Amino acid sequence: DAGVIQSPRHEVTEMGQEVTLRCKPISGHDYLFWYRQTMMRGLELLIYFNNNVPIDDSGMPEDRFSAKMPNASFSTLKIQPSEPRDSAVYFCASSLGGSGRSSYNEQFFGPGTRLTVL
Amino acid sequence: DQQVKQNSPSLSVQEGRISILNCDYTNSMFDYFLWYKKYPAEGPTFLISISSIKDKNEDGRFTVFLNKSAKHLSLHIVPSQPGDSAVYFCAASAVRIQGAQKLVFGQGTRLTINP
Repeated sequence: DAGVIQSPRHEVTEMGQEVTLRCKPISGHDYLFWYRQTMMRGLELLIYFNNNVPIDDSGMPEDRFSAKMPNASFSTLKIQPSEPRDSAVYFCASSLGGSGRSSYNEQFFGPGTRLTVL
Repeated sequence: DQQVKQNSPSLSVQEGRISILNCDYTNSMFDYFLWYKKYPAEGPTFLISISSIKDKNEDGRFTVFLNKSAKHLSLHIVPSQPGDSAVYFCAASAVRIQGAQKLVFGQGTRLTINP
């Protein structure tokens, strides 16, 4: 398996522009996570999906951020409009559901998208 | 409000010696703890975990210790090897409250193993 695939790997944009980050989870995984990494706050969970349904979006910083999962093999994280403080590395991860809610299964991370907003 | 804290941004250790990475948490509802390792330009990878019903879990050169009364956990690597040079993230989950999938991560500690 190719693992979790993210695109683009690097994105440089100007303030006010729309940014769309893409993720293809590992086939068969039914959980998908979006994280943001910054020096100050480390890795923050933004949102996660189970079977394509958003379960917890409490980490999404503002209404400028939105995420969708139209099918089991694709998810997007959109920032509109983007701001310089959104500059960070954004990771997508996926995992199996296993025994359900109370059973932890390893999350497999993609290589990340480094976003720079000028 | 940082619920999981790694107060040391970096740590440098001689090859062959023990590396000890520390992590503190504030939420007493956390009942499952993990360590992830991250190399540059790659995503984090799972390393080792521990449930709150235990105080130690060992996997080869890696051992995680949990002190619930102090809300503290640590990762011991012995002996340290150059390939261990990476950023290590501590993470925690409140399984009974929020489910096992929701992880709260710390800021990370950059470990450098010197030859």
